[in-house]
Amino acid sequence: IAGITQAPTSQILAAGRRMTLRCTQDMRHNAMYWYRQDLGLGLRLIHYSNTAGTTGKGEVPDGYSVSRANTDDFPLTLASAVPSQTSVYFCASSDSGDPSTEAFFGQGTRLTVV
Amino acid sequence: GQNIDQPTEMTATEGAIVQINCTYQTSGFNGLFWYQQHAGEAPTFLSYNVLDGLEEKGRFSSFLSRSKGYSYLLLKELQMKDSASYLCAVLDSNYQLIWGAGTKLIIKP
Repeated sequence: IAGITQAPTSQILAAGRRMTLRCTQDMRHNAMYWYRQDLGLGLRLIHYSNTAGTTGKGEVPDGYSVSRANTDDFPLTLASAVPSQTSVYFCASSDSGDPSTEAFFGQGTRLTVV
Repeated sequence: GQNIDQPTEMTATEGAIVQINCTYQTSGFNGLFWYQQHAGEAPTFLSYNVLDGLEEKGRFSSFLSRSKGYSYLLLKELQMKDSASYLCAVLDSNYQLIWGAGTKLIIKP
C-alpha cells in the first residue's frame, strides 16, 4: 500500500537517552518533513529535506538531527532526550516540484520523555 | 513574525452548516491549505487556494481573500464523522508551511 510509514507508533523514553524515529515513504516524493504537534500549538517544522542528500532546519531544530541518504527514508534522531521533547511527531512528504501539492502524513509517533 | 489565527473550538449541529475562519500574517504568500485531522490520526488534505474566491468540493468549500489575509472553510450538511480538528496552513515566500493551531469542531446530534 503506497504511503508513508512511521515507527514506532509510541515510545516512553528516559531522559538523556538517544532515540531515532523512523520514516519511510514509497511515493518517490522528493520533499520530506518532520513536525512536532503539541496541544494548543500548530504543527511546527523541525527539519526538512527537499531532495536526497540535502537537509535543512525548520522552526524548532534544536536537539534534533536528520539524515537523507536516499529518497525513501528520513530518520529523526534525538541525541539526548529531554522532557520538553515529549510530543507527537509527524513525518510528511510531498512532491516538491509543485508547491500546491498536498503533503502526505504518517500516522505519527507519540513520544513521552520521562 | 508569522501568525495564523483560528478559533480554538466550535460546535455545530448535525445537518447544519458551519464556517471556520482563518486569518494570517505571513512573510509572503504562495497558497493556503486546509487539512482535516481526526483525534489521534494524521492530518489529511482538504483544499488548496492560491487565488481569491471560492473553491467548492462536495460538501466542503474554501474561500480566500489575499487582500484581507483571510480564508474560511465551509462545511455543509454536517455529519457526525466531520467531528475533527481543521488546520489552516499558509505557504510562505520560502515555500515553507506555517500552521495554525487548528479548530476543533464538535458535531452534536
